[in-house]
Amino acid sequence: EDQVTQSPEALRLQEGESSSLNCSYTVSGLRGLFWYRQDPGKGPEFLFTLYSAGEEKEKERLKATLTKKESFLHITAPKPEDSATYLCAVQEGWDSGNTPLVFGKGTRLSVIA
Amino acid sequence: DAGVTQSPTHLIKTRGQQVTLRCSPKSGHDTVSWYQQALGQGPQFIFQYYEEEERQRGNFPDRFSGHQFPNYSSELNVNALLLGDSALYLCASSVDENTEAFFGQGTRLTVV
Repeated sequence: EDQVTQSPEALRLQEGESSSLNCSYTVSGLRGLFWYRQDPGKGPEFLFTLYSAGEEKEKERLKATLTKKESFLHITAPKPEDSATYLCAVQEGWDSGNTPLVFGKGTRLSVIA
Repeated sequence: DAGVTQSPTHLIKTRGQQVTLRCSPKSGHDTVSWYQQALGQGPQFIFQYYEEEERQRGNFPDRFSGHQFPNYSSELNVNALLLGDSALYLCASSVDENTEAFFGQGTRLTVV
């Protein structure tokens, strides 16, 4: 069973058409939930870390929210340059040190002018 | 700040050969993790190095091995390459006790 599930797999938006991406997770103890942006052939670019339910973070047209079972990445009035794959990852456990990130398969976003 | 740098950017190898990939972490970071990303998939954790030792390992065979040097840079070695090893290999660095990981641009390995 996948620990991190992202939906939809692909999303096509018109420029200015706001929408949300979903990341649902099943871990026993969430240390952190991460959102990354990845352009084709490039490494993931860090966007946000969320640590507890109810937390929200914003960056330009993006806002990430977290509940006990899922996270949403809201995109407001997107532009073509927002086109990318958005990856969600969770880090499990309460021990000190860096436990590995477990990634979803990503949502491929296309914004059409 | 140069961020996380990886070399080479692209590599083509023949089945059965061995390959070494390199990673320099972000300045001030002491932990290096390696991930494999197949086309259309999310990155999969290979292993993590801290204080020159492998601290954690994902579900990858012993053909995958690594090393961390005193300056925190790291190498990923893959022996007896298979066609299925073709992927984007990502290095991520972080500061121990801090959960945020920053990725390099990756090395695209093609096995023919």
